[in-house]
Amino acid sequence: EDQVTQSPEALRLQEGESSSLNCSYTVSGLRGLFWYRQDPGKGPEFLFTLYSAGEEKEKERLKATLTKKESFLHITAPKPEDSATYLCAVPNSGYSTLTFGKGTMLLVSP
Amino acid sequence: EAGVTQSPTHLIKTRGQQATLRCSPISGHTSVYWYQQALGLGLQFLLWYDEGEERNRGNFPPRFSGRQFPNYSSELNVNALELEDSALYLCASTSRSGDQPQHFGDGTRLSIL
Repeated sequence: EDQVTQSPEALRLQEGESSSLNCSYTVSGLRGLFWYRQDPGKGPEFLFTLYSAGEEKEKERLKATLTKKESFLHITAPKPEDSATYLCAVPNSGYSTLTFGKGTMLLVSP
Repeated sequence: EAGVTQSPTHLIKTRGQQATLRCSPISGHTSVYWYQQALGLGLQFLLWYDEGEERNRGNFPPRFSGRQFPNYSSELNVNALELEDSALYLCASTSRSGDQPQHFGDGTRLSIL
């Protein structure tokens, strides 16, 4: 059974204080890993897709990386508007479902 | 380009009633997925529709059902509502190509009194 575990569950940062979020996964043959951002009361917003170990993607202050067992979402010099819950997910073999982690709730204080 | 749209935004029902939630996918997307996001449980896969057919369902009882229409929009029906059905119900769509990311609507907040 595919499993996705995210850590930490919650993270509080000061504005400008860089950090990383972790997503570890157990799947039978990785077919991609997706990162999403979810604001309260909203649906998840797609951020990145990573397909193979060593791949990196960047968007503004965010950079996602992928190894054979985990993915990291690095946040450089965060701003309060980066506060959200960050979710990662992996597709099953038939792409019929995404298995989501429970997310990391990030709060960036000014 | 319009995103995934869901209606209603909020829905309040009582135990035993039936609820219908609606979803319109992004233009050109043929696959629609439904998820339940209950407090503290994360997103749980409910149903997948593609080309009008149910392709897969998650570990939910049969009172959760739905359909997909010829224009690829979709309905989720929940019968005999229970208190624990209170959650945010999210719809996502993607193109037929399976390795593309799913794009989500903002959900329907279902509250059972």
